Amino acid sequence: AQRVTQPEKLLSVFKGAPVELKCNYSYSGSPELFWYVQYSRQRLQLLLRHISRESIKGFTADLNKGETSFHLKKPFAQEEDSAMYYCALVGAGNMLTFGGGTRLMVKP
Amino acid sequence: DTAVSQTPKYLVTQMGNDKSIKCEQNLGHDTMYWYKQDSKKFLKIMFSYNNKELIINETVPNRFSPKSPDKAHLNLHINSLELGDSAVYFCASSQVARGHEQYFGPGTRLTVT
Repeated sequence: AQRVTQPEKLLSVFKGAPVELKCNYSYSGSPELFWYVQYSRQRLQLLLRHISRESIKGFTADLNKGETSFHLKKPFAQEEDSAMYYCALVGAGNMLTFGGGTRLMVKP
Repeated sequence: DTAVSQTPKYLVTQMGNDKSIKCEQNLGHDTMYWYKQDSKKFLKIMFSYNNKELIINETVPNRFSPKSPDKAHLNLHINSLELGDSAVYFCASSQVARGHEQYFGPGTRLTVT
């Protein structure tokens, strides 16, 4: 069975501080992982995916198969980064299994 | 141009009632989904559907059923509503051949009293 774990429910940092949102997964096949973000009063939207190896809004995430992790990082947090972040794994039927989510609060 | 839309945005109803939530996508996607977000913000897949196959998360009660009149719509029917059904329900769509990015609707907040 596939599983995604985000150990932190809440992460609070000051503006300009580095941010790391943790994500660990378990999956028997070759994983395809994503980070989705939900800003206040907005719909869930894709932030980035591991196969793209891109940086979006200053965020990056590297798939570490040895540690089965896909942590999301940003070197300098901005207030507008405050949101709910979900790590997700795609499985059968193209269905996403989400982690429990981490609320990021960036304080001024 | 709204890509994935849901109606209603809010739904308040009593236990035992039957209700439906509608979802429409204008992206030409071949697959649609329903997700449930509970009060603790946990997001869980309920259904995945394209015109060939319905995949049901085994934990979903059979009081919930998706109905797709055409490729652009996937409605969610809920029978005999219970208090525990109170949640935000999200519809999403994707074009599987173009990768797994899913586009989400704005959500429907269902409150069962």
